Amino acid sequence: GENVEQHPSTLSVQEGDSAVIKCTYSDSASNYFPWYKQELGKRPQLIIDIRSNVGEKKDQRIAVTLNKTAKHFSLHITETQPEDSAVYFCANSGAGSYQLTFGKGTKLSVIP
Amino acid sequence: DVKVTQSSRYLVKRTGEKVFLECVQDMDHENMFWYRQDPGLGLRLIYFSYDVKMKEKGDIPEGYSVSREKKERFSLILESASTNQTSMYLCASSLLQNTGELFFGEGSRLTVL
Repeated sequence: GENVEQHPSTLSVQEGDSAVIKCTYSDSASNYFPWYKQELGKRPQLIIDIRSNVGEKKDQRIAVTLNKTAKHFSLHITETQPEDSAVYFCANSGAGSYQLTFGKGTKLSVIP
Repeated sequence: DVKVTQSSRYLVKRTGEKVFLECVQDMDHENMFWYRQDPGLGLRLIYFSYDVKMKEKGDIPEGYSVSREKKERFSLILESASTNQTSMYLCASSLLQNTGELFFGEGSRLTVL
């Protein structure tokens, strides 16, 4: 089955700095790459996603980049704030698939 | 707003008991999913359903079964609970195949003694 590797598992940054989380995948047929944020004690929620015909997508302070050749995609958070502290999960799925495969998560801590 | 409701937030069961985890969604979504979340292992798919009475195995179906008798309800069943099934269970639903946003429930934390 598909394998999604996510790094790092933990990340601490100073408030205002940038944070980058990277995921690599194995299935070259993957065409959908969402990122979910899970705050402590809460449910995961979609924050941004990208499809395989797009290389980069931005939404205010967050952006996702996709490199299909290298089979990796990354989440970039700029000007981090304490409320960005959470666990972030990457995921992917292939064409015609109902199934999302998730990475193991990155615990981001933003230090005020 | 999509609402996915899991009937029990916290359960404590004994080894060998039969356990039912219920999930209801109110947005007429076709697809429903059961995930298991463990520290350091992320979210792992147990079973999913893309239509009433349809079910498909995910990555870790062993020890679990599911039921989808109505579109809005998806149940996860542990026929004989074991201690290694102690975990957080998350139900989710989505409208679209493959590229649809998953809407998660609050989770059910199951402890098996």
